[in-house]
This record gives sequence, structure tokens and C-alpha cells, in this order.
Amino acid sequence: EVQLLESGGGLVQPGGSLRLSCAASGFTFSSYAMSWVRQAPGKGLEWVSAISSSGGSTYYAESVKGRFTISRDNSKNTLYLQINGLRVEDTAVYYCAKAEYYSGGWPYFDYWGQGSLVTVSS
Amino acid sequence: EIVLTQSPGTLSLSPGERATLSCRASQSVSSSYLAWYQQKPGQAPRLLIYGASSRATGIPDRFSGSGSGTDFTLTISRLEPEDFAVYYCQQYDNSRRTFGQGTKVEIK
Repeated sequence: EVQLLESGGGLVQPGGSLRLSCAASGFTFSSYAMSWVRQAPGKGLEWVSAISSSGGSTYYAESVKGRFTISRDNSKNTLYLQINGLRVEDTAVYYCAKAEYYSGGWPYFDYWGQGSLVTVSS
Repeated sequence: EIVLTQSPGTLSLSPGERATLSCRASQSVSSSYLAWYQQKPGQAPRLLIYGASSRATGIPDRFSGSGSGTDFTLTISRLEPEDFAVYYCQQYDNSRRTFGQGTKVEIK
């Protein structure tokens, strides 16, 4: 059974930093691209970042580029998101999601974690 | 960046009725790269449809997807009580993804 378990969320002051983790199990983690998707309270889904299966390629939404860093440790089956320079508007539930390969790309997410809440407030 | 616009914002229907949800893209999207998700309160999204029209594992056949280019549709043929939720479309282009703003299907 595929499981994705996020951790590391919490209350942070504006300008602070945080590292989210996502522990994966039930599939060959090193074979799949992964992403982070966030959802502000009462709002829709926003794709944040993606990383290739090897970790050699990373991608970011324009809204977080330069502040967020995605990485992975395939020996530990764990995905990370380092968030620096936190802003009030970064307050959201952060989901990690497993991408599925289809038609030459990794276009959709077939498994999601339960989410980790990050609250940015003074 | 490809922008996805979903309509309507809210759909008020009764159980047993047919629901038709629209997703329009700001530029052409490969049909292979258009997906739909369902999200219920307090839960993570669930994949319903990928490749514009293929149902994900375990998804009932009352859910169907169609469309191409810039116009895509999710249809729920007969609403069951558990189908009242928010639905999102999502596209993939050049390793980046965007979601539509969502359509809420509520009980009338």
C-alpha cells in the first residue's frame, strides 16, 4: 500500500524558515517523480514544486522560485521542501504527491499525503 | 503559464441528477496531460480522471471525462451522495503543472 506521510509543519514567524519532509513507502520511491502541492485555507490547489526521480531536475512555480528548494534522499525514501523567507501568504496545507508516468511525462498525481499545515504569523 | 478556468464555480444539484463541469485552458493542452481530482473537506485530493478520459483505478463508471485542445469536461452521470465535493482540473506542460480554481458540487 502506497503511503506518503508529511511532517515538519507548524507556526513560523514571517521571514522564518522551515523544512517539510515526506516519508514514502509501498512503492519504489527512486523510480518516481514527486511534487509538492499546497492549499491555502478555504482556497484551491496550487502546484509548488516538482523533482525528477533521480533528483537531478527540479521545477518551481513562479510564486515560490528562489525561496523554496525541493530535494529528495532516495536512500531514505524521503522528499523534502525547504522553505525560506516565509510570508503570510505561504500559510497553507502542504501535500506531497507521487507523480505517475504517462505518455512521455509525469502529468498527474495518483497518490497524495494527508498534508502538513504551515502557518506564518507573528 | 497555462491558466485553467473552471465553470461554474458552484453547481447545485440533487442526488440522481447529471453534473457537467467545464475546464477551459488559456492555450492548448495535450489530452494526455489533463487530469481531474475530487476533494472532500479535510481530505487530500483523489485522482479521478487522467489523460482527459481515462478513469483512475477504482473510480466508478458514472465519472467520465472528455475534451481536447482548450475545452475539457467532467461528467458525473448520476450523482450519488458521496459525490458532493470540490472538483479540480489540472494540466501538465513542460514539467510544470497548474490547477483550475475548482468547482463545488453541492446538494440542492
